[in-house]
Amino acid sequence: DAGITQSPRHKVTETGTPVTLRCHQTENHRYMYWYRQDPGHGLRLIHYSYGVKDTDKGEVSDGYSVSRSKTEDFLLTLESATSSQTSVYFCAISEYRNQPQHFGDGTRLSIL
Amino acid sequence: TQLLEQSPQFLSIQEGENLTVYCNSSSVFSSLQWYRQEPGEGPVLLVTVVTGGEVKKLKRLTFQFGDARKDSSLHITAAQPGDTGLYLCAGVVAGGTSYGKLTFGQGTILTVHP
Repeated sequence: DAGITQSPRHKVTETGTPVTLRCHQTENHRYMYWYRQDPGHGLRLIHYSYGVKDTDKGEVSDGYSVSRSKTEDFLLTLESATSSQTSVYFCAISEYRNQPQHFGDGTRLSIL
Repeated sequence: TQLLEQSPQFLSIQEGENLTVYCNSSSVFSSLQWYRQEPGEGPVLLVTVVTGGEVKKLKRLTFQFGDARKDSSLHITAAQPGDTGLYLCAGVVAGGTSYGKLTFGQGTILTVHP
């Protein structure tokens, strides 16, 4: 299995608070992705990174920011969490863009 | 609007039955991937198809990429309870304004009853 660790695995927080999710990989892959998964929507791309300090927006990026200061770490931040951001968040990695991706086990985030 | 339409969204069958899941689009894809996801885990890649008309088999699972590379299907023969899970298709768009974009279908939740 690809070495991808997401933390935390579960989080409950209140509307308006900042939240940071972490994705750590041990595969030295260039591409890292953040998705959210909601019933009826499949997986939707939030942001992705193609190298250290190189990031780009996905289809549902509003309200989210990312940072990648090291190859192995990709952080997703909700600056001011809203209830609509309650979801399961998945990190994924790939060696080349849009090649088959390896996924972490997800973070279940509840915003009350 | 979903770029990749997956059907059915839910499938509940008895052990031993056959089933087919469809993934359709009006867009052309350079490749299409199928994933399986179990509760509490991330999706796991099953197969990638890249050539129009391509058929790949993985034990009791048969994957087909349409000749025009706009659709794909997953057929499971003699389903078993261990096949239960969420099946996702994902395609890399071959052209147009979404060129190079990887997009996922909504998923099919399969339940196989003993």
